[in-house]
Amino acid sequence: DAGVIQSPRHEVTEMGQEVTLRCKLISGHNSLFWYRQTMMRGLELLIYFNNNVPIDDSGMPEDRFSAKMPNASFSTLKIQPSEPRDSAVYFCASSLKLSGFSGANVLTFGAGSRLTVL
Amino acid sequence: DAKTTQPNSMESNEEEPVHLPCNHSTISGTDYIHWYRQLPSQGPEYVIHGLTSNVNNRMASLAIAEDRKSSTLILHRATLRDAAVYYCILTLISNFGNEKLTFGTGTRLTIIP
Repeated sequence: DAGVIQSPRHEVTEMGQEVTLRCKLISGHNSLFWYRQTMMRGLELLIYFNNNVPIDDSGMPEDRFSAKMPNASFSTLKIQPSEPRDSAVYFCASSLKLSGFSGANVLTFGAGSRLTVL
Repeated sequence: DAKTTQPNSMESNEEEPVHLPCNHSTISGTDYIHWYRQLPSQGPEYVIHGLTSNVNNRMASLAIAEDRKSSTLILHRATLRDAAVYYCILTLISNFGNEKLTFGTGTRLTIIP
């Protein structure tokens, strides 16, 4: 398996532009998590989905951020309009959560998308 | 959410065991203890997790105190490739709305050749 695949790996854009980050889940996984990492704030959970349904978006900074899962294997995180303070590394992670299973959730992370907003 | 406390940094010599401590005095009976690590310029990577009993896998061992208020990640023979930030995290069992992994600042492990 190729693991969790994120694109682009690096994005440099100007303030006000729309940014779309993409994530392909591991085949068969049904949970998807978006994290953001900065030096100041560390790793922050933005939103997570189960079976394509958003479960918790309390970490999404503001309305400029939106995330979708158009199908079971793919997700996008969109920032519109982007601002310099959005500069960070954005990670997505996927896991397999079995219905009725009460065990721990083990996440597999992608390599990240480094966003720089000028 | 229950919090964890880890030292900011640790050093260890190559090919020696490393014991990374984590305090979680407010842990509840339903919290799992997870360890992830993040190598430079990479995404976090799962290491190990446990609930009450000690756990072993190919990467490491997890020793959990009897009262569950602390745990120790053990790397049996550190190599230079183990240099990373190690995160100790608690998560709730099931109840799907609380499945979050909330990362703290972790312990930066430096391996000395």
